[in-house]
Amino acid sequence: QVQLVQSGAEVKKPGASVKVSCKASGYTFSSYDINWVRQATGQGLEWMGWMNTNSGNTGYAQKFQGRVTMTRDTPITTAYMELSSLRSEDTAVYYCARRNDAFDMWGQGTMVTVSS
Amino acid sequence: DIVMTQSPDSLAVSLGERATINCKSSQSVLYSYDNKNYFAWYQQKPGQPPKLLIYWASTRESGVPDRFSGSGSGTDFTLTISSLQAEDVAVYYCQQHYSTPYTFGQGTKVEIK
Repeated sequence: QVQLVQSGAEVKKPGASVKVSCKASGYTFSSYDINWVRQATGQGLEWMGWMNTNSGNTGYAQKFQGRVTMTRDTPITTAYMELSSLRSEDTAVYYCARRNDAFDMWGQGTMVTVSS
Repeated sequence: DIVMTQSPDSLAVSLGERATINCKSSQSVLYSYDNKNYFAWYQQKPGQPPKLLIYWASTRESGVPDRFSGSGSGTDFTLTISSLQAEDVAVYYCQQHYSTPYTFGQGTKVEIK
């Protein structure tokens, strides 16, 4: 079945980087963009950026420009989101989502905790 | 950036009654090329990722019960739950994917009265 499976929870120190993976299955990976959305505990949804899985082209929210990098490994149908220079405010659940007519398929989420 | 504003922030509705959530975008999300509103509604239950309910403002996603309906165009949109069920308790978000950044509303929490 169509699904996105993300990597497990991470705990990082301030200033470090984290790389979250999102493995797609059940559909043609390079036919749909992958977007990344995060959600701090008890808060709303915040869009971070998108990646065209065919070309590798990306677009990032201005808030994350210079700190976020989205990549993919097409042979293993996996997308990645790397966030650097982590601070406590980056503590959140990070989701990948496939964009079809809207965001029709979401990963289960990856909890990233930034703490000294 | 397009700002999405939902109202109300929360509402409590009796089982079987109607629930209505509104969402207003700061600019039109209707793309004249294809006459589609690049607008969606999502439902999120605790501990789960968001689930797509409605896309193109009024098209129900496969498997979504028909008590959920979406309406509106341009800048004003509505999600209606015609007869609230216990399993509909959740936070509902609107989203525009007309232009980046693809912004979400702040969410509306729906509870049982």
